[in-house]
Amino acid sequence: KQEVTQIPAALSVPEGENLVLNCSFTDSAIYNLQWFRQDPGKGLTSLLLIQSSQREQTSGRLNASLDKSSGRSTLYIAASQPGDSATYLCAVAPGGTSYGKLTFGQGTILTVHP
Amino acid sequence: EAGVAQSPRYKIIEKRQSVAFWCNPISGHATLYWYQQILGQGPKLLIQFQNNGVVDDSQLPKDRFSAERLKGVDSTLKIQPAKLEDSAVYLCASSLGSVLLEQYFGPGTRLTVT
Repeated sequence: KQEVTQIPAALSVPEGENLVLNCSFTDSAIYNLQWFRQDPGKGLTSLLLIQSSQREQTSGRLNASLDKSSGRSTLYIAASQPGDSATYLCAVAPGGTSYGKLTFGQGTILTVHP
Repeated sequence: EAGVAQSPRYKIIEKRQSVAFWCNPISGHATLYWYQQILGQGPKLLIQFQNNGVVDDSQLPKDRFSAERLKGVDSTLKIQPAKLEDSAVYLCASSLGSVLLEQYFGPGTRLTVT
């Protein structure tokens, strides 16, 4: 059974800092990995999707890396802003026939203070 | 492009009552998902539809939960009778297909069972 763990559970940083969020998973037989953002009272917004054959993906100030063999992914946020405050979730999609069955971590609550 | 729509946004019921949630996916998305997100946890997949058919309902508590997707578009999720532990946010997501896995989420329905 796939298990996804995110560290740290919560993070508070001053504006402008670069930061790293960590995600680990127990079964390396994944199809892809996604990072999501969730704002209070809202649904999830997809940030980055990394296919199992890729090592990293970038979008603006965000960079996500994937090391499938070690079961790890990191989300790097450069020059953090108060608007980045949210819960960040990673999720893995299994290989085989269960493509859509995402398994989520419990999330990292990020607070960026001015 | 319109996003995933869900209603109601909030619902408060007493235990043993029944409740239904509605989801309208993004137009043209063949795959629809219902997730349960308990406070402080990541979402957990309850059921996945591909057009009209159920792909995965292994984590759906079938003694009290049911879901349908008539005509391969809208979907309803029902709980009958509700228990206190059903208090959660119910998220609906859709994707183009089971291979193109980027999932787009609705705002969710927050259910409180008293």
